[in-house]
Amino acid sequence: EVQLLESGGGLVQPGGSLRLSCAASGFTFNTYAFGWVRQAPGKGLEWVSGISASGGDTSYADSVKGRFTISRDNSKNTLHLQMNSLRAEDTALYYCAKFYSATLTTVPDHWGQGNLVTVSS
Amino acid sequence: QSVLTQPPSVSEAPRQRVTISCSGSNSNIGNNAVNWYQQFPGKAPKLLIYYDDLRPSGVSDRFSGSKSGTSASLTISGLQSEDEADYYCASWADSLNGWVFGGGTKLTVL
Repeated sequence: EVQLLESGGGLVQPGGSLRLSCAASGFTFNTYAFGWVRQAPGKGLEWVSGISASGGDTSYADSVKGRFTISRDNSKNTLHLQMNSLRAEDTALYYCAKFYSATLTTVPDHWGQGNLVTVSS
Repeated sequence: QSVLTQPPSVSEAPRQRVTISCSGSNSNIGNNAVNWYQQFPGKAPKLLIYYDDLRPSGVSDRFSGSKSGTSASLTISGLQSEDEADYYCASWADSLNGWVFGGGTKLTVL
């Protein structure tokens, strides 16, 4: 069974940093692409970032480019999202999503339960 | 403003059929597959339809998807109260090198 468990969220002041993690189990981690999708309170889904199975291909939404960095540790079956220079508009529930195959252009087919990030002074 | 356009809400009576539209452009839906997600309040999105019209294992055949040009549709037949949820379309956007989503459609079963 695919399991994705996010951690690392919380309350942070504007300008601060957080590192989200997503621990995966139930499948061969290093053969799948992964991504982060966020949902602000009462709003729709928004693409944040993604990384291919090899780590050689990454994607970032314009709204986070230069501030967020996605990475993966295939030895620990874990996905990370380093978030710097956080803004109030980054406040959202952040979902970790596994893709259907190794590339980012396929299908985000399994999602974690989400991890809340609140940026406020 | 979402890149893909969906109606904010739709409603229909039980046992009827409802269709949710999703409109995009040549750089997303027109050149890439469309996926649909179902989301209940407080829950993570669940993949409902992928590659335009395929259902993952375990998804009821009351759900179907289609695509034509730069638009896609999700049809739910034999509506049930438990279908009340938010529905999102999604597609890869070549020009953005990332995924784009519709704004979501809230389905109410009257």
